[in-house]
Amino acid sequence: DTGVSQDPRHKITKRGQNVTFRCDPISEHNRLYWYRQTLGQGPEFLTYFQNEAQLEKSRLLSDRFSAERPKGSFSTLEIQRTEQGDSAMYLCASSEGAAKNIQYFGAGTRLSVL
Amino acid sequence: QKEVEQDPGPLSVPEGAIVSLNCTYSNSAFQYFMWYRQYSRKGPELLMYTYSSGNKEDGRFTAQVDKSSKYISLFIRDSQPSDSATYLCAIGAAGNKLTFGGGTRVLVKP
Repeated sequence: DTGVSQDPRHKITKRGQNVTFRCDPISEHNRLYWYRQTLGQGPEFLTYFQNEAQLEKSRLLSDRFSAERPKGSFSTLEIQRTEQGDSAMYLCASSEGAAKNIQYFGAGTRLSVL
Repeated sequence: QKEVEQDPGPLSVPEGAIVSLNCTYSNSAFQYFMWYRQYSRKGPELLMYTYSSGNKEDGRFTAQVDKSSKYISLFIRDSQPSDSATYLCAIGAAGNKLTFGGGTRVLVKP
């Protein structure tokens, strides 16, 4: 499978716990994006990387959220002290680079905060 | 006002009919226009990609972009029950984030 891979597919956690999600982009795609999608809404941008550099963060990305892409390959998104409002689908996408903005999405990680 | 507006539906059509979807947007700097299909609890799947104004056809799908009106459309010919899904328009600038519409839920009845 050469598509975008996300793990886990579903995470159930208790309020106040920390969670971490992983995204493996399509090989040789140097841009990686994170989005969040709540029920009945379109995805909303969170942050994106060009290789290992984090180039933009949305105001939706509070201090409890942190994303990394340490070697310019896979990326992790961590949420600290989860809240019920964090329950959503977290989507990762990748694209070839700055010239083309064709983004391919993974299957997402569904987070449920109890 | 949202940057990208999309009617949430649901849009119900009989099998074989043409499905017509559209979005309006406000930012004239947008250059890339995409349509994604999303099944329940799945990630968005890219259907069509268009750069700048004009039409693009791929099988049963036709995408249209009218930058002067800030209006994009997707047409699905000979619709099938398997086309029942949520359709998301997404708009962006080169290499940057995509801004999505809220999605239109489509139901194709056999």
